Amino acid sequence: ELKVEQNPLFLSMQEGKNYTIYCNYSTTSDRLYWYRQDPGKSLESLFVLLSNGAVKQEGRLMASLDTKARLSTLHITAAVHDLSATYFCAVDMRKAMNYGGSQGNLIFGKGTKLSVKP
Amino acid sequence: DTEVTQTPKHLVMGMTNKKSLKCEQHMGHRAMYWYKQKAKKPPELMFVYSYEKLSINESVPSRFSPECPNSSLLNLHLHALQPEDSALYLCASSQESLVRLPPDTQYFGPGTRLTVL
Repeated sequence: ELKVEQNPLFLSMQEGKNYTIYCNYSTTSDRLYWYRQDPGKSLESLFVLLSNGAVKQEGRLMASLDTKARLSTLHITAAVHDLSATYFCAVDMRKAMNYGGSQGNLIFGKGTKLSVKP
Repeated sequence: DTEVTQTPKHLVMGMTNKKSLKCEQHMGHRAMYWYKQKAKKPPELMFVYSYEKLSINESVPSRFSPECPNSSLLNLHLHALQPEDSALYLCASSQESLVRLPPDTQYFGPGTRLTVL
């Protein structure tokens, strides 16, 4: 059974500081996603990481994937209040279908609630 | 356009009611998903439709009945729900292929917040 573990689960940061959220998973997968969720809102896609060593950056967020270590990181640089949200990593455990294709099946981590304070 | 729409935004129902949640996308995606998210928890997959056929049912109770009338629409019919079914119900869609290709991202709708009294 696939387990996806995020840490920390809660993160209180000051503006301007850097920090990293970690996502470990227990079974081989070559695709990992990061989503952001604001309170009471839906999930917004941030990054899709599809290969070992993949690194993607958008603004103050940078995500990386090490498939050998089964580890993804989400690094926050010079945090600002607008980054306050819950961040989820999700691993795609695809299920093979009879027709020869495969079906996406996201398993989410518990989420990291980030609070950035002035 | 990367929009998935869901109606209604909020729904309050009694345990004897029958109601339906609706989801729509016009991105040409052929895979659509229903997730359930309890407060302060991650989303949990309920159902997956691929090319309008149910491909994954994650052991969801029969009081939840999905339906995919066409490639753009996904419904979730609710009947005889329990208070513990109160949650945010999220619909998502993604590009799928009949061959083993890396998938596109799953795009999520805004969700329906369901309260069962």
